[in-house]
Amino acid sequence: NAGVTQTPKFRVLKTGQSMTLLCAQDMNHEYMYWYRQDPGMGLRLIHYSVGEGTTAKGEVPDGYNVSRLKKQNFLLGLESAAPSQTSVYFCASRPAQGKISNYGYTFGSGTRLTVV
Amino acid sequence: AQSVTQLDSQVPVFEEAPVELRCNYSSSVSVYLFWYVQYPNQGLQLLLKYLSGSTLVKGINGFEAEFNKSQTSFHLRKPSVHISDTAEYFCAVSDPLGIKAAGNKLTFGGGTRVLVKP
Repeated sequence: NAGVTQTPKFRVLKTGQSMTLLCAQDMNHEYMYWYRQDPGMGLRLIHYSVGEGTTAKGEVPDGYNVSRLKKQNFLLGLESAAPSQTSVYFCASRPAQGKISNYGYTFGSGTRLTVV
Repeated sequence: AQSVTQLDSQVPVFEEAPVELRCNYSSSVSVYLFWYVQYPNQGLQLLLKYLSGSTLVKGINGFEAEFNKSQTSFHLRKPSVHISDTAEYFCAVSDPLGIKAAGNKLTFGGGTRVLVKP
């Protein structure tokens, strides 16, 4: 019963390097989300997906790309990392509309990324 | 568009005292409301949620929140806090009736840090 798993948990990048964060969920959820958390700003939505093969921009998409080739995986890519992308990244998922009592979002444990 | 305002960025409180964390939201449609807690260096844990029905919602660890539609608020309360309640608390709103293409995403407030003092 893993829920939402994020890898890696920690990473330090140099400016200009690229990397991919992986989010995997085993709950057959349709919707998946990537957020970043910064002090005093709460969590802000980067990109999201409403189903396999579809992605959309959130509130702060610049500098990031995403892909959802398989329903269970949602990848977040940084093509050329910048210090402003130092943050904690959270992935979340939730099922499509169904029984109201089950409505909820499941979060991963986060990835702490530092760009130097 | 939805937005969430948490009026206090930090709330110091003595152990066994009550605490209230304020949350106001703006939305032109009906909403689902959530409170999450984040303990130091950990992920987000759901405290409670309001989906429909009774406006007083009880959650885990003795927390409760009251949905007030006329004031667009969803304040979180606990009658007696413990040292272990030291954490950051996030209020969030979702539009359950939004079209699928919009993703029914969660919008978060800026967070409130609660520091429980002995």
